[in-house]
Order: sequence, then structure tokens, then C-alpha cells
Amino acid sequence: EVQLVESGGGLVQPGGSRRLSCAASGFTITNYAMSWVRQAPGKGLEWVSAISGSGHMTYFGDSVDGRFTIFRDNLKNTLFLQLNSLTVEDTAVYHCVKGGGWLPNWFDTWGQGTLVTVSS
Amino acid sequence: IQLTQSPPFLSASVGDRVTITCRASQGISSSLAWYQQKPGIAPKLLISAASTLQSGVPSRFSGSGSGTEFTLTIGSLQPEDFATYFCQQFDSFPLSFGGGTKVEI
Repeated sequence: EVQLVESGGGLVQPGGSRRLSCAASGFTITNYAMSWVRQAPGKGLEWVSAISGSGHMTYFGDSVDGRFTIFRDNLKNTLFLQLNSLTVEDTAVYHCVKGGGWLPNWFDTWGQGTLVTVSS
Repeated sequence: IQLTQSPPFLSASVGDRVTITCRASQGISSSLAWYQQKPGIAPKLLISAASTLQSGVPSRFSGSGSGTEFTLTIGSLQPEDFATYFCQQFDSFPLSFGGGTKVEI
């Protein structure tokens, strides 16, 4: 069974950092593009970042570019998102998602998400 | 690329035919997906590439369109279909979602 399990969320002060993890099972993350999508409480969906299947290409949304980093541990089949310089606008549930192919496209498998709350 | 969904809210009854529209601010060919989300649950992919129904998704769901205008149609609304629906484009970066359409009883 294809499964994604996120961890690492929690309460962070403005200006702080957090690292999110996503453990994948049932498939190999190096064969697919992987992304992070977030959803602020009561709001819609926002794509945050993606990494290609090769791992050579990374992509970021305008609101996080320069502050967030996406990377993976191929041996552990785990995806990461490093969040830096956090603001209250980054408060959201962060979902790890599997793409439908080698390059980012649609999202065919979603994790349940991990909540990041940025507050003083 | 901005995606505008309409309507944002839709009241319907079981058995109704429902159509949701997603308009893109520029042409995106067929690079559009549709998702269903129920409260407290992660979104579920319904349709990829504008009209390709995902395995296990009931055939009452269908997608059409290309370029800048797309539709998601539910042929006969069932009780389990009351949810929020989102479109998403993957033509160019940054990837983006529509604002959502909440289908209510």
C-alpha cells in the first residue's frame, strides 16, 4: 500500500525554524516527483515546494522561496521540508504528496499532514 | 497562473447533476486535476489531465475542457459527494489551486 506519513509539526515562534519529515512506503520516492502542499486553518490549498524524481530539480512557491528547502534521503525513502524565517502566515497543515510522474504534475497520494503553528 | 472556481458554494440535492467550473488566467492545455476534500481528511485525486478518471473513482464523476475553461461534473449527486472540490494546474510553476467549491445539501 502506498502511504505517506508526515511528522515534525508543532508550535514555533515567529522567525524560528522547523524541519518536517515524510516517510514514504509502498513505492520509491526517487521514481516520482514529490511535493509539499499546505492548508491554513479554514482556507484552501497552497502548493509549497516540489522535487523532481531525479532529485536534481527543486521548485518553490513565491511565498516560501528563499526560506524553505526541500530535500530527501533516498536510503530512508524520506522527504523533508526545512522551514526557516517562519511567520504567522506559514501556520498550516503541511501535506506530503506524491506526484503522478517524474516531474511535478498532479498529486495522487496525500499524507494526513502535520500542523505547524507559528505564534509567540 | 490564477485559477478561478465557480461557484464557491453550491446547494444541491441527492440525484442532482452538478457542474463546477475552473477558469485559468492563461491557457494550460489539459494540465488540470480535480480533487475532493471532506472535513478533516486529506484531499483525494479524482481526475488528472483534465478528463482522466482515477482508478476507484465512481463513473458519475467526469472532467472536460482544455485551454482556459474546465468543468467537473457529478452526474447524479450521492450523499457521500457532499464535500469541497478543488482544481489544480500543473502547466507551469508555481503550481496552483483554485479557491474551492463547497457542495452542500
